[in-house]
Amino acid sequence: SAVISQKPSRDICQRGTSLTIQCQVDSQVTMMFWYRQQPGQSLTLIATANQGSEATYESGFVIDKFPISRPNLTFSTLTVSNMSPEDSSIYLCSVPKDANYGYTFGSGTRLTVV
Amino acid sequence: QKEVEQNSGPLSVPEGAIASLNCTYSDRGSQSFFWYRQYSGKSPELIMSIYSNGDKEDGRFTAQLNKASQYVSLLIRDSQPSDSATYLCAVTPSGNTGKLIFGQGTTLQVKP
Repeated sequence: SAVISQKPSRDICQRGTSLTIQCQVDSQVTMMFWYRQQPGQSLTLIATANQGSEATYESGFVIDKFPISRPNLTFSTLTVSNMSPEDSSIYLCSVPKDANYGYTFGSGTRLTVV
Repeated sequence: QKEVEQNSGPLSVPEGAIASLNCTYSDRGSQSFFWYRQYSGKSPELIMSIYSNGDKEDGRFTAQLNKASQYVSLLIRDSQPSDSATYLCAVTPSGNTGKLIFGQGTTLQVKP
């Protein structure tokens, strides 16, 4: 199954700045997913990143706030732009684990905005 | 109505007991169902998947699916303190988009 390297693992950022999170997969995958997990909450899907096309965003998430790049089948970035304390969360990328066998997650990026 | 619902708990069971975790979902077209375990400060880890009605067993874990009732459950036999974690139910919505919809998770506490 796919192995994901996600970085940074954590960061503390000033409000108004931006942070780019990277996910590198050890195999080619068609779809990559970006999730947010707010403190004490479950996972909420931000967007689906497809190689060669624009990301598909879920309701409540917009490209200007969370721009995503997907330059090839093994790599994606999520940028959290113009951050506010409300953006303090864990951000996770996810890819299919095996065909029709669930999904595996990166180790997560714990973001604190001050 | 939330798309995937779980009792947030905490569910507390003694060591060696059976822990029963439940999940309901609203999308009748959902085809794939997953249980993830998440330890505090860690990312979710897949422990079970189930796709057809009935039971699926893997070691101490049994997943149960009833599509007519839109209900999926996870049983953990011989619960151990190391099973203490948050268990997330996840469902793929109809439309084969590949994405997962998560419930809010149930916190399980196994007491020695």
